Parts: sequence; structure tokens; C-alpha cells
Amino acid sequence: GQQVMQIPQYQHVQEGEDFTTYCNSSTTLSNIQWYKQRPGGHPVFLIQLVKSGEVKKQKRLTFQFGEAKKNSSLHITATQTTDVGTYFCAGHNQAGTALIFGKGTTLSVSS
Amino acid sequence: DVKVTQSSRYLVKRTGEKVFLECVQDMDHENMFWYRQDPGLGLRLIYFSYDVKMKEKGDIPEGYSVSREKKERFSLILESASTNQTSMYLCASSLRVGAGQETQYFGPGTRLLVL
Repeated sequence: GQQVMQIPQYQHVQEGEDFTTYCNSSTTLSNIQWYKQRPGGHPVFLIQLVKSGEVKKQKRLTFQFGEAKKNSSLHITATQTTDVGTYFCAGHNQAGTALIFGKGTTLSVSS
Repeated sequence: DVKVTQSSRYLVKRTGEKVFLECVQDMDHENMFWYRQDPGLGLRLIYFSYDVKMKEKGDIPEGYSVSREKKERFSLILESASTNQTSMYLCASSLRVGAGQETQYFGPGTRLLVL
């Protein structure tokens, strides 16, 4: 079945360093969504990308959707301790009938 | 703001017990979902529902059933709890705005321990 792979599984950075997580699908996606789950919390929607090659920014966060609509990335510039948590990508299949989550990348930041 | 609530944050049950996890959303969302979250395995879909009295199996439905008698409420039932069902259970809901455009809103989760 359709799979969404996410790497790395864990990443530790020093505060101020950059961070990137990558998401790859085995099939073409209709869109990609990103969620953040703080420690002890629940996933919270961050953003949705729909168009091929789309790039969106939210302050220090940059989200990209690949040209083939099979991969995506989230890049955080100059990480802060408030960025800690697990970041999930999730893609809808072309039929739009199911949202498939990646396993998430857990980010830790030391000051 | 969308609010998704779950009946318990923490639950301890014994093997063989029947367990009910309740989820309620207050935004008139058509779609509701039950996931379990385990370390290293991410979010796995158990069941979902696109309408009242409608249910669809997700990726790991074995050992679970669901009930959706009212639009705002989606219940997950463990017919006979087993230790391998110890997990964090997350409920989510979404508005049906068009194929593949829905954003999911999650509840706070129920951490279930089966002894």
C-alpha cells in the first residue's frame, strides 16, 4: 500500500543551528500536510501544500513540495528551544480518501 | 476554535476487560478518526467515519470496533483488552471540504495501560 517515509527519525541540534526533515511518498500525492506534536501534547496542523514545487514560509519554517509531488521537506532556520517536538508529514492519496502519516522526526534542541 | 475532547487522559484496565474510549467534537465535522501512537511507529489509523452510522477500517482494525451514533461523537471499543493494546489513542476530526483538502484536528489523547 501507499507509504510515506520520513527521515531522520531523531535529530538533536544546538540552539541556533538549522534543521531539516524530509518526507517521501511511494506514490504521487494530491497534497502534503505538516503537523507538530510538542512533548506530552497532540499533533497540531502547521500547513498544507498543494501545488507542484510549492514553497511556503512561516517565520523560521520553510516548507517545500517537490515537483513530482512525491516528496516534501520542512526546514527550520536558527532553531530555538520552543521548536522541540515531533514533526509529522502527512499526504493524501490522489483519490483524497486517506491521509497517510509519516512516522515523524523528533527534534531536540539544547541551549 | 475547533475542540476535540476525549473522555479520559489516562486509563488503566485489566486484560479481557471491555474498554470504551469516547471522542466528541464541537465543530460539526463530518469526518472522525481513531489513531494509536506508539514510539517509533508514528500514527496508525484504526478506524474512521465519514458520516453518522458509517465506519471504515483503517490500517490496524483488529481487536477494535467503533460506533458513530451521533455526528459529534465517535467511540472506540476494545472488545477484550490485551496488553499489546497499551498505547496512546488519539481521536481526530475534519471538515469535508473537498477530496484531499481536509485538515485534521486532534484531541488531547488517552494513554491506555492494559495490565
